[in-house]
Amino acid sequence: GQNIDQPTEMTATEGAIVQINCTYQTSGFNGLFWYQQHAGEAPTFLSYNVLDGLEEKGRFSSFLSRSKGYSYLLLKELQMKDSASYLCAVKRYGGGSYIPTFGRGTSLIVHP
Amino acid sequence: GAGVSQSPRYKVTKRGQDVALRCDPISGHVSLYWYRQALGQGPEFLTYFNYEAQQDKSGLPNDRFSAERPEGSISTLTIQRTEQRDSAMYRCAIDPKNTGELFFGEGSRLTVL
Repeated sequence: GQNIDQPTEMTATEGAIVQINCTYQTSGFNGLFWYQQHAGEAPTFLSYNVLDGLEEKGRFSSFLSRSKGYSYLLLKELQMKDSASYLCAVKRYGGGSYIPTFGRGTSLIVHP
Repeated sequence: GAGVSQSPRYKVTKRGQDVALRCDPISGHVSLYWYRQALGQGPEFLTYFNYEAQQDKSGLPNDRFSAERPEGSISTLTIQRTEQRDSAMYRCAIDPKNTGELFFGEGSRLTVL
């Protein structure tokens, strides 16, 4: 089985930095993803971590510690358009395949 | 979403009716996933296909739900005898890079009255 935990909601100010945490417990772990989902739209891929450490991509960075079952998504220089839900997903093994399994998402509100 | 077409986009049905939701991975892809997403929640895994083989259906809630992909391309998710609790957004996704990085369709919003 698997359990993925992330905060329900966060607020931040335009131009600031925000860190969204995700903890997980799963069997057959094979990577962790972050997705962004704007209201009324489909989720879109942001990042993928399979090894420990930090992956940087522009204003967004993602960190993974497999031993601690912990990841975070770091958003810098926040913009109003970053207001969205951020989904943590763990790739777990089951039924002969690796299945991305999602947390409930963190709703980020960026205000002026 | 890029490369995945779903229909219908919206479906309103009465409790007890059957519904069929369609997913067409436009370019043809090996892996195809079905997820269900309630408002304010993350996508919930339903089932997974590798070509025409349904390799994991552990997420299907009960036997009213079934899915098929007979020719390894278009997939259909069928819900029999719908109930109000089935109301949700149903999303299809593909994994073109075979890494688990999913590309989602726009979804089919099902409302059961």
